[in-house]
Amino acid sequence: DAKTTQPTSMDCAEGRAANLPCNHSTISGNEYVYWYRQIHSQGPQYIIHGLKNNETNEMASLIITEDRKSSTLILPHATLRDTAVYYCIVSPRITHGSSYTGKLIFGQGTTLQVKP
Amino acid sequence: DGGITQSPKYLFRKEGQNVTLSCEQNLNHDAMYWYRQDPGQGLRLIYYSQIVNDFQKGDIAEGYSVSREKKESFPLTVTSAQKNPTAFYLCDSSIDLGMGRQPQHFGDGTRLSIL
Repeated sequence: DAKTTQPTSMDCAEGRAANLPCNHSTISGNEYVYWYRQIHSQGPQYIIHGLKNNETNEMASLIITEDRKSSTLILPHATLRDTAVYYCIVSPRITHGSSYTGKLIFGQGTTLQVKP
Repeated sequence: DGGITQSPKYLFRKEGQNVTLSCEQNLNHDAMYWYRQDPGQGLRLIYYSQIVNDFQKGDIAEGYSVSREKKESFPLTVTSAQKNPTAFYLCDSSIDLGMGRQPQHFGDGTRLSIL
């Protein structure tokens, strides 16, 4: 089962910030939070990931709460091309010879619709 | 440029036929994964391999088989036992550099349909 909970859909006005929430209340200490997005009929695209500190890259910012039970992906200036399904995933590190595999468990994701 | 290559982009299967989907990576990653995606759904893990000559079943392995004879290649065979093979198949690879699973772009996928 997916270990995250996300809203099914969200709308955002073009040029505004899109804030996508994710609940991962059962996250364990060795698990990272990853965000991917998928545009129709394409493979998922990596956006950002983090462990406990807030992270920022050229695509987005990731805000993780202090207790790590939830996070928010922020697209600072949403464009029409950001319309996609956004997946929040928790996954442990790969460790050979152990039960950790680095596999990603995808839930339903959030369908973000950016409107003009 | 390094990346993951899936082929073919579209594939059609006849009843009772086995078909093989190709996934190749030149990223020197140890781990490779196969996912299946049905319309309007998230990805589900079929098989994964952490190292050459070793692989494990994912959540929906029935009707599928894989091999991992080379680090770069992780082909997926959809056998005739898979009664509902129509789906979008995605391949992924990864490596852990001590900062979490270093994510790469997935392949562009193979769309499989039944004739």
